[in-house]
Amino acid sequence: AQSVAQPEDQVNVAEGNPLTVKCTYSVSGNPYLFWYVQYPNRGLQFLLKYITGDNLVKGSYGFEAEFNKSQTSFHLKKPSALVSDSALYFCAVRDEPTGANNLFFGTGTRLTVIP
Amino acid sequence: EAGVAQSPRYKIIEKRQSVAFWCNPISGHATLYWYQQILGQGPKLLIQFQNNGVVDDSQLPKDRFSAERLKGVDSTLKIQPAKLEDSAVYLCASSQDWNTEAFFGQGTRLTVV
Repeated sequence: AQSVAQPEDQVNVAEGNPLTVKCTYSVSGNPYLFWYVQYPNRGLQFLLKYITGDNLVKGSYGFEAEFNKSQTSFHLKKPSALVSDSALYFCAVRDEPTGANNLFFGTGTRLTVIP
Repeated sequence: EAGVAQSPRYKIIEKRQSVAFWCNPISGHATLYWYQQILGQGPKLLIQFQNNGVVDDSQLPKDRFSAERLKGVDSTLKIQPAKLEDSAVYLCASSQDWNTEAFFGQGTRLTVV
């Protein structure tokens, strides 16, 4: 069965500094990996995904994520944080298709960008 | 492109009452999901439809929860009878197919008192 861990409940970063939100995963096959962001009283918004190909994936709002197979990680990054990036971030994983297509979410990391 | 529509946005009911949520997915999306998000936790999949067939309902409490997707478009999720622990945000999502990214609605916040 697949699982995903977000080891940090809270990440604080100063505006203009680079940010990293960590995610590690466990799957039996090849992983399909996703990052979503949730603003207050809003649904989850898709940021980016890794299916196959280049390990560095670029997504919405200047975010990117690096797939590292040996470390089973898919950390979310941004070179320069904005106050408007403050939100709840979820990593999600889907195991390579075996018939069970469950998109499994982590517990979330709250990012606060300090002006 | 219109997003995933859900209603109602908020619902307060007493325990043992019943409640229903409605979802209209993005046009043309074959896959529809219902997730439960309890405060402080990540979303948990309740049920996944591919067109109008159920793909995964392994985490749906079938003694009280039911869902249907008639004609492979709109879907309803019902809880009967509700328990206090059902208080959560219920998120509907859709994707073009089972292997593409899912797009979420704003959710229905259910409070059971």
